[in-house]
Amino acid sequence: SQQGEEDPQALSIQEGENATMNCSYKTSINNLQWYRQNSGRGLVHLILIRSNEREKHSGRLRVTLDTSKKSSSLLITASRAADTASYFCATDDSGTASKLTFGTGTRLQVTL
Amino acid sequence: EAQVTQNPRYLITVTGKKLTVTCSQNMNHEYMSWYRQDPGLGLRQIYYSMNVEVTDKGDVPEGYKVSRKEKRNFPLILESPSPNQTSLYFCASSFLRPGGELFFGEGSRLTVL
Repeated sequence: SQQGEEDPQALSIQEGENATMNCSYKTSINNLQWYRQNSGRGLVHLILIRSNEREKHSGRLRVTLDTSKKSSSLLITASRAADTASYFCATDDSGTASKLTFGTGTRLQVTL
Repeated sequence: EAQVTQNPRYLITVTGKKLTVTCSQNMNHEYMSWYRQDPGLGLRQIYYSMNVEVTDKGDVPEGYKVSRKEKRNFPLILESPSPNQTSLYFCASSFLRPGGELFFGEGSRLTVL
């Protein structure tokens, strides 16, 4: 079952611009994570934000979490062509102990 | 180097011919999991394992088997593959239950004719 739904499904920006992706989920969570996937490759963990945190930074990444709205956003500042990839949110649901539930992803294209 | 290794990376097979996709991690992780990725459906969990000899079904276990005889290995077995199992498969592991960071393999692209 899908928990996270990313929005938009696809995003195209120019190098240097900021990219914002959103994730909505349905149930209570322990934490929410963002992953990156280069075309057809394995997913790579970017950042984790716990349910009691509202904002977290890592380099050019900024993640926010609003548990009242069950939503999160990932901001990539000063995008580079190398940021071109698909980005997935994943939730660690409070009610299950078995898995992260992934959304369907946002495909980001950064052009020169 | 910490990694999750899957083999084969690419495979074309025919309906009904048993195959195994191997997965090995060198990080001493207790938790391992298999996902399949299909266009428009995201990643769906097939099976997972909390520790040696402990496995359980995920969201889409039909047509698959797994085993966890050693901590580092978690093979995915397709006893009688069918075309609807054509997909991109990922093995992943984490130190504890998956509340933390998941480490993914590079993926195994399987085509069943």
